[in-house]
Amino acid sequence: QKEVEQNSGPLSVPEGAIASLNCTYSDRGSQSFFWYRQYSGKSPELIMFIYSNGDKEDGRFTAQLNKASQYVSLLIRDSQPSDSATYLCAVNGGAAGNKLTFGGGTRVLVKP
Amino acid sequence: GAVVSQHPSWVICKSGTSVKIECRSLDFQATTMFWYRQFPKQSLMLMATSNEGSKATYEQGVEKDKFLINHASLTLSTLTVTSAHPEDSSFYICSALETKGEKLFFGSGTQLSVL
Repeated sequence: QKEVEQNSGPLSVPEGAIASLNCTYSDRGSQSFFWYRQYSGKSPELIMFIYSNGDKEDGRFTAQLNKASQYVSLLIRDSQPSDSATYLCAVNGGAAGNKLTFGGGTRVLVKP
Repeated sequence: GAVVSQHPSWVICKSGTSVKIECRSLDFQATTMFWYRQFPKQSLMLMATSNEGSKATYEQGVEKDKFLINHASLTLSTLTVTSAHPEDSSFYICSALETKGEKLFFGSGTQLSVL
């Protein structure tokens, strides 16, 4: 079992809709959770981080964390074509210490 | 967010030569930096963890004598690909850990092409 799992996609959503991305992790000791966006040929860009159970909103993005169920999700509201990218879930802490463990990424395609 | 500068952005070199990539944290001190490699349409692969003032920790399967890492200061880590070969062609990305918030910020990446 991979330590951090994501559906590879592509997740295709119409412009203006909500894109919902999920990520599960195996290490119960994990403490910090991050979402990165990566455009093709570019390096990842941090868009959200969450440490506590519940929801965290930042603009059109909402991160949701459920430590009991070991999943973290990202919602993108009012999806735009510019949101088309690969979204990487990353987990910190636990056995890995300060070393982030990345999921394989979910490719999102927003269609006009 | 914090800024991590990586240089060069792309490099083309002949097989057998060495290439040095620099990674600088511009507005924060980073005791820990990480080096990743990414092949097309694949996820990031951690190569090594670079700790300021000490030896780097390499992931399994990564040759430490081929990928030399130096982290001489709190704002600079370098990766040298020695005796590069075509199979070393890849996108190399550094990242720096902002200790205060435990957030990881990435450099812009270096596309290495070995002919």
